[in-house]
Amino acid sequence: QQQVKQSPQSLIVQKGGISIINCAYENTAFDYFPWYQQFPGKGPALLIAIRPDVSEKKEGRFTISFNKSAKQFSLHIMDSQPGDSATYFCAAQDVDYKLSFGAGTTVTVRA
Amino acid sequence: SAVISQKPSRDICQRGTSLTIQCQVDSQVTMMFWYRQQPGQSLTLIATANQGSEATYESGFVIDKFPISRPNLTFSTLTVSNMSPEDSSIYLCSVWVGGKAFFGQGTRLTVV
Repeated sequence: QQQVKQSPQSLIVQKGGISIINCAYENTAFDYFPWYQQFPGKGPALLIAIRPDVSEKKEGRFTISFNKSAKQFSLHIMDSQPGDSATYFCAAQDVDYKLSFGAGTTVTVRA
Repeated sequence: SAVISQKPSRDICQRGTSLTIQCQVDSQVTMMFWYRQQPGQSLTLIATANQGSEATYESGFVIDKFPISRPNLTFSTLTVSNMSPEDSSIYLCSVWVGGKAFFGQGTRLTVV
């Protein structure tokens, strides 16, 4: 069974708009939550990550919001650009450093 | 960060044959992992390959099908044995460096 649930499966946003991707988990032992960006034919690239003792982390146009009590976290892409068009995966790491991935969200930014 | 090189980057193989994928890291790392990404799907962990110990496999993956070697702290191989079309996937190695997980570019395998 999938330990990390991700939605939506895909989204289309206009250039300059905000993209929001949501993830939820059940395993309270997870203690590190990264987001990866993947372009076709490439490996996943670490985008931004957060630990559960922090409620929000921002790096440039990318922000993670984390709600520990609800076991949910989300990625916000501000001022979306056509170069942001990619597949985004949320993930959660357990004590053995194994990552469980969400199903992925394909983001398309229209110029 | 870490620079991870995988070889081959892609291959087309006949069913029933085996392919060995290499993963080379530019620094010494303890923890290395192998993932599979089936077409249009997410990533699934195959096994953990820590140097100095036997690889540990996730549910649904067995050593006879996916033997792994980890001879030193910068290198590992994953073999996909007795391949069938269902093994067509991208295979990725991953390492932990500085508290972060990094991935190689992947090996795109097509079994015909």
